Amino acid sequence: KNEVEQSPQNLTAQEGEFITINCSYSVGISALHWLQQHPGGGIVSLFMLSSGKKKHGRLIATINIQEKHSSLHITASHPRDSAVYICAAIGRGAQKLVFGQGTRLTINP
Amino acid sequence: GAVVSQHPSWVICKSGTSVKIECRSLDFQATTMFWYRQFPKQSLMLMATSNEGSKATYEQGVEKDKFLINHASLTLSTLTVTSAHPEDSSFYICSATGAISNQPQHFGDGTRLSIL
Repeated sequence: KNEVEQSPQNLTAQEGEFITINCSYSVGISALHWLQQHPGGGIVSLFMLSSGKKKHGRLIATINIQEKHSSLHITASHPRDSAVYICAAIGRGAQKLVFGQGTRLTINP
Repeated sequence: GAVVSQHPSWVICKSGTSVKIECRSLDFQATTMFWYRQFPKQSLMLMATSNEGSKATYEQGVEKDKFLINHASLTLSTLTVTSAHPEDSSFYICSATGAISNQPQHFGDGTRLSIL
């Protein structure tokens, strides 16, 4: 079992739908990243959070440290949101990221 | 936001050639840089962690003589794939972070390497 598990692995939705991607981890962490990787390969860090909730535009990330669970939400989804979303955990006292398998999101117009 | 520039973005070369990939932090001091490899539809695989001014720490199974990493300044790290072979063809991507703990990692746009 991976230390960081994401679900779903693939998600297809219609434009405008509310999207939720889940991430569970089994190790103690100091923080968790949500990353976005577009088809060209470049990776953008969307959020880094260690508690609570963060919001940026239509994106919202939450984390529950007790339950070792984080979610990424996209409101009013758009085709340009189509990408692979990756959660990555940073262990306590570590610098290395432990990656989830990624969620391939496709938003159809 | 912080920017990491990776160059080249795409390279095709003959088997046996050595290829150098550069990773630069443009607006912050990158005390630590990470080099990853990614196969199609798979997650990122950490190859090595590089701290400025010291030898890189390689992950298990990564040949240090094959993948030479240099991090001589706070803004530049290089990965050289020596005597590249077709099986080295992959997507290589770097990330960088600063000295303060719990800073986010900032990623380059990656280099797609194809060895003929």
